[in-house]
Amino acid sequence: GENVEQHPSTLSVQEGDSAVIKCTYSDSASNYFPWYKQELGKRPQLIIDIRSNVGEKKDQRIAVTLNKTAKHFSLHITETQPEDSAVYFCAASIKNSGYSTLTFGKGTMLLVSP
Amino acid sequence: EPEVTQTPSHQVTQMGQEVILRCVPISNHLYFYWYRQILGQKVEFLVSFYNNEISEKSEIFDDQFSVERPDGSNFTLKIRSTKLEDSAMYFCASIEVGGTYEQYFGPGTRLTVT
Repeated sequence: GENVEQHPSTLSVQEGDSAVIKCTYSDSASNYFPWYKQELGKRPQLIIDIRSNVGEKKDQRIAVTLNKTAKHFSLHITETQPEDSAVYFCAASIKNSGYSTLTFGKGTMLLVSP
Repeated sequence: EPEVTQTPSHQVTQMGQEVILRCVPISNHLYFYWYRQILGQKVEFLVSFYNNEISEKSEIFDDQFSVERPDGSNFTLKIRSTKLEDSAMYFCASIEVGGTYEQYFGPGTRLTVT
């Protein structure tokens, strides 16, 4: 089955700096890669996703890049703010005609210091 | 905005007891999932459900687990004889048919087995 590795496990940055979180996946058939943000005690919430037919996607301060050949994808957060502090999970799935099962990475705890 | 809801928010039970966790997916969603997250660890897939039957299940989802959609709105996860290691946050998620790939997560049920 799919295996998703995520690094780093913790990331501390100063407010205004950029943060980069990297993930690799094992199944070349995976074609959908979402990123979820989870605040303490809360549900995971989708912040951005990318499909395998696209190399990069951006939404304001958040961007995701995908390298299908190398089987890795990254989350980039620019101009970080204290409210970006949370655990971020990457995931991979094979989106077929219907459902898609998400395989998650182990998460990155991002701490943004004012 | 419609949300997935889950009840109860916290369930404490004794080892060996049966528990039923309840979820109400978003009304026009037809694919449903259960995930669990042991404290401090990643989110793990348990089972997916579509058209009143299990679509896929992980090795975690053994004979002690079952899912059901008893009516048009509820989606339940039953653990027949709970073990200490079942203590975790259980998330329900649902996905829209023909929509985006996004899985919408519920707020979770924290299960504590003593």
